[in-house]
Amino acid sequence: AQSVAQPEDQVNVAEGNPLTVKCTYSVSGNPYLFWYVQYPNRGLQFLLKYITGDNLVKGSYGFEAEFNKSQTSFHLKKPSALVSDSALYFCAVRGRAAGNKLTFGGGTRVLVKP
Amino acid sequence: KAGVTQTPRYLIKTRGQQVTLSCSPISGHRSVSWYQQTPGQGLQFLFEYFSETQRNKGNFPGRFSGRQFSNSRSEMNVSTLELGDSALYLCASSLTSGGPEETQYFGPGTRLLVL
Repeated sequence: AQSVAQPEDQVNVAEGNPLTVKCTYSVSGNPYLFWYVQYPNRGLQFLLKYITGDNLVKGSYGFEAEFNKSQTSFHLKKPSALVSDSALYFCAVRGRAAGNKLTFGGGTRVLVKP
Repeated sequence: KAGVTQTPRYLIKTRGQQVTLSCSPISGHRSVSWYQQTPGQGLQFLFEYFSETQRNKGNFPGRFSGRQFSNSRSEMNVSTLELGDSALYLCASSLTSGGPEETQYFGPGTRLLVL
C-alpha cells in the first residue's frame, strides 16, 4: 500500500521569505512523486514531479522540490514566497505498478502574508 | 490546447437519487481517472479508465461506477445517493496509463451536494 503524510495542516510565511511544505511518503519500490496546488473553487494544478535522476526538481512558478530517498521525503520549496502563492498544496505518490492511481496527502494550506 | 472539462460544475440532488458526471479529457489523452475530494477524507481515488477499460479501482462501494467511450470521454455514475456523497468530484487525464512520464492534469471538478 502507498501513503503520503503532510505533517502541517497550515504554513504561515511572510511575503519574500522562503516557503517549505513538507511531505513524506511510503511506497513499495521506487516512487513517482508529485506536487499539486489548488486554489479556491478550482481543480488541482500540476506543479512538478520526480521520476528519477536529479534529486532537485524544478517546476512551475518558481517552485522546486527535493527528493530524499533515505528520509522518504519530497519537500516543496520556494525561495521567495508571494501573496499569490496562498493556496492548498497536495503531495502525491504513484507506485510503479499502480497504473495512474495517485495517493494524496491531506494537504497543507499555505498563507503568505504581505 | 483545451484542458480537462467537467460538466456540470454544480449539482444538487436528494438522497436516493442517482447522478451522472461527465469528463472530457485533454485532446489525445486516453486515460481518465476520477477522484473524490471531501473535507473529512481528503482526495481519494475512485477509478481509472484507459482505452475504454477500467484499469484500477479504489475502495468505494458498487454504487460508484464509471465508463469510458471510444473518444476517451468518461462518465461516472453514483446511484442511490447518500448525504456522505456530497463532495467535489475531480477528473484527471493523461496520455497513457502508468508510464514513468505520465502526469495527470485535473479538471475544475463537479461539486455535488446531496440533500
